Amino acid sequence: LAKTTQPISMDSYEGQEVNITCSHNNIATNDYITWYQQFPSQGPRFIIQGYKTKVTNEVASLFIPADRKSSTLSLPRVSLSDTAVYYCLVGPQGGKLIFGQGTELSVKP
Amino acid sequence: NAGVTQTPKFQVLKTGQSMTLQCAQDMNHEYMSWYRQDPGMGLRLIHYSVGAGITDQGEVPNGYNVSRSTTEDFPLRLLSAAPSQTSVYFCASSFGTGDGYTFGSGTRLTVV
Repeated sequence: LAKTTQPISMDSYEGQEVNITCSHNNIATNDYITWYQQFPSQGPRFIIQGYKTKVTNEVASLFIPADRKSSTLSLPRVSLSDTAVYYCLVGPQGGKLIFGQGTELSVKP
Repeated sequence: NAGVTQTPKFQVLKTGQSMTLQCAQDMNHEYMSWYRQDPGMGLRLIHYSVGAGITDQGEVPNGYNVSRSTTEDFPLRLLSAAPSQTSVYFCASSFGTGDGYTFGSGTRLTVV
């Protein structure tokens, strides 16, 4: 399974756009890129998933370059409630999914 | 839909005791997984299942057993609890499509 590397922590201010980049150099042809959000004392929550190019939903955008060796989660205009840990996963859509260390995002007023 | 239901929410065990953590989902998801999360750490995969009757090991399977006799249920058994198994356990399920996994609210287990 492809290993992912993402920053351990990031700081931002309310109203800013936040971009979290994840590296996955060994991504396989049938792997998808999925991002989860986790608040303290809660289970992770699915944010977005993509295979290539750009995916957008009501919460975030996911940018994937042509070589798929990295991806960027973009959170528009963050608020204090976006303070959480964000995990980048690479793997099949179902089955064996391995979490990495995640990025702890802190949004300040 | 209740989603993914985990019981109990809290449990204290003595070393050597056995118990079963329950996980049930009502979304007809084929894929189910168990994770543990230690304080300040990421999630580690214990076991997973791609359908009824099919299970496989994850990253940290030792000391745990699973079975998947129905699509809805995926219980996790601790055979002989050890203090190192003190953790928060999360169960998750998925269709295996672009909607990702749905996680339960977790079971906080303390082994003394």
